[in-house]
Amino acid sequence: AQSVTQLDSHVSVSEGTPVLLRCNYSSSYSPSLFWYVQHPNKGLQLLLKYTSAATLVKGINGFEAEFKKSETSFHLTKPSAHMSDAAEYFCAVSLNNAGNMLTFGGGTRLMVKP
Amino acid sequence: NAGVTQTPKFQVLKTGQSMTLQCAQDMNHNSMYWYRQDPGMGLRLIYYSASEGTTDKGEVPNGYNVSRLNKREFSLRLESAAPSQTSVYFCASRPRGGMGTGELFFGEGSRLTVL
Repeated sequence: AQSVTQLDSHVSVSEGTPVLLRCNYSSSYSPSLFWYVQHPNKGLQLLLKYTSAATLVKGINGFEAEFKKSETSFHLTKPSAHMSDAAEYFCAVSLNNAGNMLTFGGGTRLMVKP
Repeated sequence: NAGVTQTPKFQVLKTGQSMTLQCAQDMNHNSMYWYRQDPGMGLRLIYYSASEGTTDKGEVPNGYNVSRLNKREFSLRLESAAPSQTSVYFCASRPRGGMGTGELFFGEGSRLTVL
């Protein structure tokens, strides 16, 4: 079975400071990993994905994530938060042999203070 | 460019009533999905359709049925709504290819309240 744990349900940062959203996964097989963002009253949008290529993945809006197999982690970072980054972020995992199954974490709500 | 369109966006039902959530995509995607989103639980897969003519259960299928009407449309039906089905429902689609190489494209959600 595959699962995803997002370690913080809420993260609050000041504008201009770094963002760290944590994600750990469990998987018996080689995973594909994703980060999605959801703005209020909207659907989810893909930020970035890891699919067994480079372990440091760059996404949209200055976000990046690093796949660390030894730590089973895929944390999302951004050097400098903007007010527009305030949203809910979801980490997701798909096993390469699991066909169509994508499993989501519980989400982290990012708040950005002026 | 409509993408994934869900209707209705909001619905209030009484316990025991039935309703169907509609979903259509105009991207010629093969696979379509229905998820529900509840606070602190992320998104949980209800049903999916890997291709036209096929449907499969996801993590939480009880109380729901689906129909893949054609390649564009994938509907979710609640036959006898229960308060536990109060949630935000998302439809998503994915182009041909393995899950690891493709992303999901989501609709804007349907907010359902069951009284």
